[in-house]
Order: sequence, then structure tokens, then C-alpha cells
Amino acid sequence: ELKVEQNPLFLSMQEGKNYTIYCNYSTTSDRLYWYRQDPGKSLESLFVLLSNGAVKQEGRLMASLDTKARLSTLHITAAVHDLSATYFCAVDMMYSGGGADGLTFGKGTHLIIQP
Amino acid sequence: EAEVAQSPRYKITEKSQAVAFWCDPISGHATLYWYRQILGQGPELLVQFQDESVVDDSQLPKDRFSAERLKGVDSTLKIQPAELGDSAMYLCASSLVPTSGSYEQYFGPGTRLTVT
Repeated sequence: ELKVEQNPLFLSMQEGKNYTIYCNYSTTSDRLYWYRQDPGKSLESLFVLLSNGAVKQEGRLMASLDTKARLSTLHITAAVHDLSATYFCAVDMMYSGGGADGLTFGKGTHLIIQP
Repeated sequence: EAEVAQSPRYKITEKSQAVAFWCDPISGHATLYWYRQILGQGPELLVQFQDESVVDDSQLPKDRFSAERLKGVDSTLKIQPAELGDSAMYLCASSLVPTSGSYEQYFGPGTRLTVT
């Protein structure tokens, strides 16, 4: 059974600070996804990481993937209030028909950025 | 920009009643997923379709839940009878058979279900 663990689950930080969210998963997969969710809203795709060593950046967010360690990180640089949200990582697996299973999500990291 | 459509956006129903949710994926997306997200948790897969066929429904509570995608396009998820523990956000997602190796899923706005 594929398991995805995120930490921390809750993070309160001040604007201007840097921090990293960690995502560990239990079985081999080369595909990892990061989503953002605002309260009461659906999921917004942030990053798709498809190979070992992949690094993607968008604004103040940077995501990386180490498939050997089964670890992805989401790094926040100089946080601003607008980044307050819940962040999920998710992993999928190939199935025998050649497609991908549904995503297995972590529990999410609830991020609050205070002025 | 194409989006996944879901309706209704909100539904309040009484325990033991039947309820149905509808999803229209992005045009051309062969794979459709239904997820349930309980407040404070990550989404959990209920059922996955490839065209009109069920690929995975191992987490679908089949005694009360059913899902169909008859023509391989839009899909309906039904709960009968609803229980208090079914209160959650129900998310639909779709994905395109990829050329890049990514099976990126695009999520709809969700249906917030409250069972009283």
C-alpha cells in the first residue's frame, strides 16, 4: 500500500521567512505532484515532478524530487501572506493497463503566514 | 481555458436520503476520478474510470455508493442511503493520456455535501 507522509502538518510563520515542507512516500514512483488548496476550494496544481532530481520553481515556491530517497520538498522563500493555504503532495503509480492509478495524497500542510 | 465541471456545488440532505453528483471532465480526457475529502484530510480516491470502464473502485463503499460513466464522457456518483459520515467534499478530476509521462489531474470545483 502506497503511503504519503507530509511534515509538518501545521506551520505558522512570519512574512519574509524561509521554510521547507517535506513529503515522504513509501514505494517507488517517479511522479510526484504538489497542489494548493484554499479554504472551501478545490485543488490547484502547483508542480509536476517527473524524474529524479527534478526541480521546479514558480515565484516564491520551489519543489524538488529525490526518487532514491523517496522524498520531495516544497521550499518557500521570503513568505508572503498570500501563500497562506493548505499544501498537498501526491503520488501516483502505474497500473497494468498502462495508465496511472489515482493519486495518493498526504494529509496536507496547513500553512499560515502572519504579517 | 477548459475546466472540469461539477454540480451541484453544495448539497444538504437528510440521513437515509439519496443524493447524486455530476461531473463533466475536460473534453478529450479519457480518465476520470472521483475523490472524497473529509474536512482536514487529504482527498481519497473512490473510483477511477478509463473511458466508460471502471479501473479501480476498491475504495468505493459499494453497499451505498455507485458510479457510472455510461458514454465515457460525463459521470455520476450516487449515494443511497446517505449517512452522517458521508459529509465531505466530493472532487472530480480528469486526465489526458499523456505524451510527456505526466498523468496530471485537473480538479473540478467540488461538491460540498452535508448530511443532517
